[in-house]
Amino acid sequence: AQSVTQPDIHITVSEGASLELRCNYSYGATPYLFWYVQSPGQGLQLLLKYFSGDTLVQGIKGFEAEFKRSQSSFNLRKPSVHWSDAAEYFCAVVGPDSGYALNFGKGTSLLVTP
Amino acid sequence: GAVVSQHPSRVICKSGTSVKIECRSLDFQATTMFWYRQFPKKSLMLMATSNEGSKATYEQGVEKDKFLINHASLTLSTLTVTSAHPEDSSFYICSATSWTRPSYEQYFGPGTRLTVT
Repeated sequence: AQSVTQPDIHITVSEGASLELRCNYSYGATPYLFWYVQSPGQGLQLLLKYFSGDTLVQGIKGFEAEFKRSQSSFNLRKPSVHWSDAAEYFCAVVGPDSGYALNFGKGTSLLVTP
Repeated sequence: GAVVSQHPSRVICKSGTSVKIECRSLDFQATTMFWYRQFPKKSLMLMATSNEGSKATYEQGVEKDKFLINHASLTLSTLTVTSAHPEDSSFYICSATSWTRPSYEQYFGPGTRLTVT
């Protein structure tokens, strides 16, 4: 079955520390991959996306993600976290046979401590 | 560009009544709109996909008679929750795709918080 897994429900990091949020997918073919951020009471904002090409993609707000086909992963990283990064992060995929609807992971809640 | 709005942002209704949520693409024509439901501390669950001028396609387990979706124009889709019950309380989010962009690029509305009392 097609699935998107975010293994970490909650992550706490200190401000200024590095961050990595994990995402694994299970699809027959390489899907299109996305990371979204949702701040409290806000809509979803696209951080970055991967369709093809360079496996390291740069996004907004200093985020990047690396696609690793061998590991079926698309982990999100940021070298130095800011307090304003505290939010819910969702990995999402669009499969080639899904009619372009997004399949979301369950999300990772990021808490940033002083 | 590619802004999607939702109205209302919050709504409280009494059990048994119906409530309509609007999703508008403000600066582009949306051939396809998606409706998602988000439970507290949970991921987004796709409810239905609607193409302009066609009947919506509902996901398994979503009652189409309860969640009426209309996509009458290229800039507006509506979700009507009929005979709402407290278990319908949730955060409803729409997204839209533009025929000028790849179909897999979706633009999200800010969401509507529905509370049924």
